Amino acid sequence: DAGVTQSPTHLIKTRGQQVTLRCSPKSGHDTVSWYQQALGQGPQFIFQYYEEEERQRGNFPDRFSGHQFPNYSSELNVNALLLGDSALYLCASSTRLAGVPYNEQFFGPGTRLTVL
Amino acid sequence: DAKTTQPNSMESNEEEPVHLPCNHSTISGTDYIHWYRQLPSQGPEYVIHGLTSNVNNRMASLAIAEDRKSSTLILHRATLRDAAVYYCILRSPLEYGNKLVFGAGTILRVKS
Repeated sequence: DAGVTQSPTHLIKTRGQQVTLRCSPKSGHDTVSWYQQALGQGPQFIFQYYEEEERQRGNFPDRFSGHQFPNYSSELNVNALLLGDSALYLCASSTRLAGVPYNEQFFGPGTRLTVL
Repeated sequence: DAKTTQPNSMESNEEEPVHLPCNHSTISGTDYIHWYRQLPSQGPEYVIHGLTSNVNNRMASLAIAEDRKSSTLILHRATLRDAAVYYCILRSPLEYGNKLVFGAGTILRVKS
């Protein structure tokens, strides 16, 4: 089992550009969450996808959008990049069991995005 | 989102026990206490969770205060590989979805 995989590992973009990050969940998982981690801070929840729909969203502008495919993999898109979007973007997968608060999330190694 | 408070950093010697504290004075009766850790250059990983009783697993132990307003993650014998940022997180079964709300965490340094 490869666990959660993310691509690319690193990415450099300039302000105003658009970026797409990709995530493949752990085998058997159907839910994908995305987090943004600025340097020296804890990860911040962006949104969560289940059954190809956005189910929950954190406090992020609509420049951040996503998609989930039938095979449960997911993309995170960020438009009109700002310098402040420079961060580590983490993908986490899990299984969606309603009312189960101990549902472990498995994280990928992240994509380091640098905006110049 | 329920809030937790952790020390910014702690230091330990290798092969000695480490006690990482977490305060969560506003915890509700149904909130679970989770711990995740993030090793350098990696994504966070699950460590342990509990509700009321103390819990043990192969990685660590979780001691929960009787009033549940605080908890302590215990690493019985710290190794250099345990150097990481440790996050204490509250999760509610009443909340839709299962997002994790991270604070700044505790940076654990382990000395050889």
